[in-house]
Amino acid sequence: DAGVIQSPRHEVTEMGQEVTLRCKPISGHNSLFWYRQTMMRGLELLIYFNNNVPIDDSGMPEDRFSAKMPNASFSTLKIQPSEPRDSAVYFCASSFGSGANQPQHFGDGTRLSIL
Amino acid sequence: DAKTTQPPSMDCAEGRAANLPCNHSTISGNEYVYWYRQIHSQGPQYIIHGLKNNETNEMASLIITEDRKSSTLILPHATLRDTAVYYCIVRASYNNNDMRFGAGTRLTVKP
Repeated sequence: DAGVIQSPRHEVTEMGQEVTLRCKPISGHNSLFWYRQTMMRGLELLIYFNNNVPIDDSGMPEDRFSAKMPNASFSTLKIQPSEPRDSAVYFCASSFGSGANQPQHFGDGTRLSIL
Repeated sequence: DAKTTQPPSMDCAEGRAANLPCNHSTISGNEYVYWYRQIHSQGPQYIIHGLKNNETNEMASLIITEDRKSSTLILPHATLRDTAVYYCIVRASYNNNDMRFGAGTRLTVKP
């Protein structure tokens, strides 16, 4: 079975550029999560969607970050303008429902480097 | 959410059982115990979870003590590919979407 698919796997861009990360959740999953992982801060939840609707975006660091989920099979996380401190690995995860008994399944992430 | 404590590192011989402990002495009655692992450059991989009862799946077994204050993840026959960082997470039902990964246990399986 296909897992969560993220693209690109690696992104290197210059400060000030727009960055778009993409995620395809597992088919049938109706909850989607965006995380960021750094050595200093570990794994942080940025935003999550339930049935394509953003439920909690309190983890989004600044207005430079935005996320959309236009349909059940696709989500984007956009950073505009990007800054060096945004460099991190960004993970997307999905689950069947958002209950505590539903495991989240993660993609392999996008390693983002802002120069 | 309850805090978890894990040893920073463990070694295991290939083919032997790997037993990874986790302490969660402040766990509440409605909090689940989850285990994930992360292999370098990959995303966290779900292994198993449980509430009160012991659980087993194709990857591992989860043993939760009767008082629920600690648990053990068992990989019955460790292989070199099981070398990874293993995370024990307690997940509350009221704030159940934020997977708070701690430092985890770095398991090294040796030939």
